[in-house]
Amino acid sequence: LAKTTQPISMDSYEGQEVNITCSHNNIATNDYITWYQQFPSQGPRFIIQGYKTKVTNEVASLFIPADRKSSTLSLPRVSLSDTAVYYCLVGDRKNTGFQKLVFGTGTRLLVSP
Amino acid sequence: DGGITQSPKYLFRKEGQNVTLSCEQNLNHDAMYWYRQDPGQGLRLIYYSQIVNDFQKGDIAEGYSVSREKKESFPLTVTSAQKNPTAFYLCASRGTLGQETQYFGPGTRLLVL
Repeated sequence: LAKTTQPISMDSYEGQEVNITCSHNNIATNDYITWYQQFPSQGPRFIIQGYKTKVTNEVASLFIPADRKSSTLSLPRVSLSDTAVYYCLVGDRKNTGFQKLVFGTGTRLLVSP
Repeated sequence: DGGITQSPKYLFRKEGQNVTLSCEQNLNHDAMYWYRQDPGQGLRLIYYSQIVNDFQKGDIAEGYSVSREKKESFPLTVTSAQKNPTAFYLCASRGTLGQETQYFGPGTRLLVL
């Protein structure tokens, strides 16, 4: 499984765009990149997943360069409620069989007024 | 949380006691997982099950046991052999028909008296 590296913490202010970059130098050809958000004492919540280029949903965008050795989660116009821990994971997106997710310590995002 | 329920929200264990954490899902997912999360850390895999009546050890299975008698249910028992059970326990499930990611329940916090 590819190891991921992301900043331990980030600070931002309401209304700003936040970009969290994750490094995954050993990503395999079949691996997808997935981001989760976790609030204290809650289960992680799926945010976005991608394989290459750019993916956008109603919550965030995910930018993946051509070499796929890194990815950037972009949160537009953050609010106080976006204060959470964000996990970047890399894993094989097989539709059957065991899927192992390896969670690091994540990035703690603090959004201030 | 999306159709995955965990109970209780808080659980207290006495020395030498076995306790069972409940996890139920109504998503018709085949695969289910149990994770443990310690303060400030990522999630670690305890057990997983890909199909009814089958389950496998994860990275930290010692002191834990599971059963998978029904597709919807995957209870976790924390036995007296687990010497440091205080943690946040998370259950997840994953489908196998184009549903590539894992979805998590709200978690159970286990405390030792």
